[in-house]
Formats: sequence, C-alpha cells, structure tokens
Amino acid sequence: AQTVTQSQPEMSVQEAETVTLSCTYDTSESDYYLFWYKQPPSRQMILVIRQEAYKQQNATENRFSVNFQKAAKSFSLKISDSQLGDAAMYFCAYMYSGGGADGLTFGKGTHLIIQP
Amino acid sequence: NAGVMQNPRHLVRRRGQEARLRCSPMKGHSHVYWYRQLPEEGLKFMVYLQKENIIDESGMPKERFSAEFPKEGPSILRIQQVVRGDSAAYFCASSPTGFYGYTFGSGTRLTVV
Repeated sequence: AQTVTQSQPEMSVQEAETVTLSCTYDTSESDYYLFWYKQPPSRQMILVIRQEAYKQQNATENRFSVNFQKAAKSFSLKISDSQLGDAAMYFCAYMYSGGGADGLTFGKGTHLIIQP
Repeated sequence: NAGVMQNPRHLVRRRGQEARLRCSPMKGHSHVYWYRQLPEEGLKFMVYLQKENIIDESGMPKERFSAEFPKEGPSILRIQQVVRGDSAAYFCASSPTGFYGYTFGSGTRLTVV
C-alpha cells in the first residue's frame, strides 16, 4: 500500500521569504499523480498544485512550485514571496493513475506559520 | 456553479444516535468520494461511489457506516449508533471522471457527546 510522509509538523517563515515543505511517498506504481492541498482554518481543502509522475518538468503555479524527484520519491513544495494568506495546513497527497478506487492518500500535514 | 455542497456544516449527536451527512456534487460530476479527518491528521479515504453504485468501500468501517449515491439527490454518509470515536470532520469530493479532477466540499464536523 502506498504511504505519504510529511516530516515537518510545523514550519515558520517570515513574510516575503521563501519556504520549502517536504514530502516523501512510497509506491510500487510507476504512473501516478501527486498533489499539494492547502487547508486554512475555514477547513476548505484547496488544491495548490498537481504533478503527473510521467512528466519530468516540475509543476509551477504562480508563487508555488514543486521539486519532484521520482527516483527518490520526493515531492517538495516551494512557496516564494510568502504572504499572510498562505498560513494554513498543507497536505501532500498521492493517487494512482490507474483508476479512482482508493482515492487520495494524504500525509499528516505541515502547519505553516507566516511571521509578519 | 455552486461547487461541492455539504450539509450540515456542524452536527452534534449523542452517543447511540444516527448521523446523516449529505453531499451534493458539482454539476456534471458523477463520482463522489468520502474522507474522514481526525484531529491533527490528514484525510483518510472511506468510500468511492458513482451514481447508484459503490465502487470501493475499503476505507469504511464494516459496521455502523454506510454510504449511498442515488440516481437523484445527494450522496449520503450514514453513521448508526454513533460513538465518541466517530467525532471528526467528514469531507466529500466529486469528480467528473474519477481521476484527478477533484473538488472538495467544506466538510461536516461531527461531534458526538
């Protein structure tokens, strides 16, 4: 079974600085998707960024980018120019691309604090 | 497009009562997933449904829990004879294809007293 590990329960960064959140995963599959979700205090799960495992190019969405290392099974999220609105729980998630059964497997999350 | 609608947002039940959680997927989405989030944890998959069919319920406890997604109306997650350990946030997500085009609802927080 696949697992997702986020080794940083909490991270803190100064506003306007850059922060990197770590995620590793374990799977025997070669084709899958990886995601970062943001969960603010409102509890809404918001998709931040998505990466297809077959793509070598790292995904980027404005200030958010990933460092996807398939061989190392690592999928870190970099947030540039951190803003107060980025404060939230961040969850890394995996999904096998062969079908929707099993859904997403989530890590336990990293609580990101933005210092003004 | 109203997004994925979950209600109620908060639900309080006494031990032994039944809890019914509703999820209306986005328009055009026929795939629904239910997840449970315990405090300080990530979301855990419970069940995957398409219209009128349960595709995978491997994450759902065998007893007291059931889910349905009828041809008409919302998907329902039903918990019978609730216990304190059922207290959690329950999230629904919908997708048009069953693959990565998920949209999550805002969740229902169930508190069992």
